[in-house]
Amino acid sequence: RKEVEQDPGPFNVPEGATVAFNCTYSNSASQSFFWYRQDCRKEPKLLMSVYSSGNEDGRFTAQLNRASQYISLLIRDSKLSDSATYLCVATYNNNDMRFGAGTRLTVKP
Amino acid sequence: GAVVSQHPSWVICKSGTSVKIECRSLDFQATTMFWYRQFPKQSLMLMATSNEGSKATYEQGVEKDKFLINHASLTLSTLTVTSAHPEDSSFYICSATSGSRYEQYFGPGTRLTVT
Repeated sequence: RKEVEQDPGPFNVPEGATVAFNCTYSNSASQSFFWYRQDCRKEPKLLMSVYSSGNEDGRFTAQLNRASQYISLLIRDSKLSDSATYLCVATYNNNDMRFGAGTRLTVKP
Repeated sequence: GAVVSQHPSWVICKSGTSVKIECRSLDFQATTMFWYRQFPKQSLMLMATSNEGSKATYEQGVEKDKFLINHASLTLSTLTVTSAHPEDSSFYICSATSGSRYEQYFGPGTRLTVT
């Protein structure tokens, strides 16, 4: 079983749509959680951290449920520029980052 | 944010040759650097963790004699793929941390193609 699992998609949505991604992690010792965005042939870039209390940054909302070991990312009012692969990350032992395989999003006009 | 560079950004080499990839932290001292590998449509997989001045710690299944890592200074780590084979073709990404918990800065990646 993979340590971090995501629905690979692809998600194809029209501009303006709301889309939600889910992620589960298997290591209950995981300490911190993040969503990264990766464009094709580029390095991943931090999108936002994920907290149990929820974290909102503009059109993006991330949520963590420790009891279920479940992480989510909600994107509202999708833009064409949101098209990318979204990586779920669980971290333990301070710097040991485990990446999910990513969920691919394509926003269409 | 902090800047990490990698060189080269892409490389094509023949099977059996060795390739060195450099990872540099440009505006901070990186106490720890990480090397990842990503195959098409797959996740980033951690290969090894290196601390300045000490031997790298390799993940299970990663051959340390094939993937040589040197972290000689606080701003430079190198990954050498020795006797490369076509199956080593991949996207290699480094990241660096200054010691702040959980904050890693990624390099732009190196795309290796072995023919």
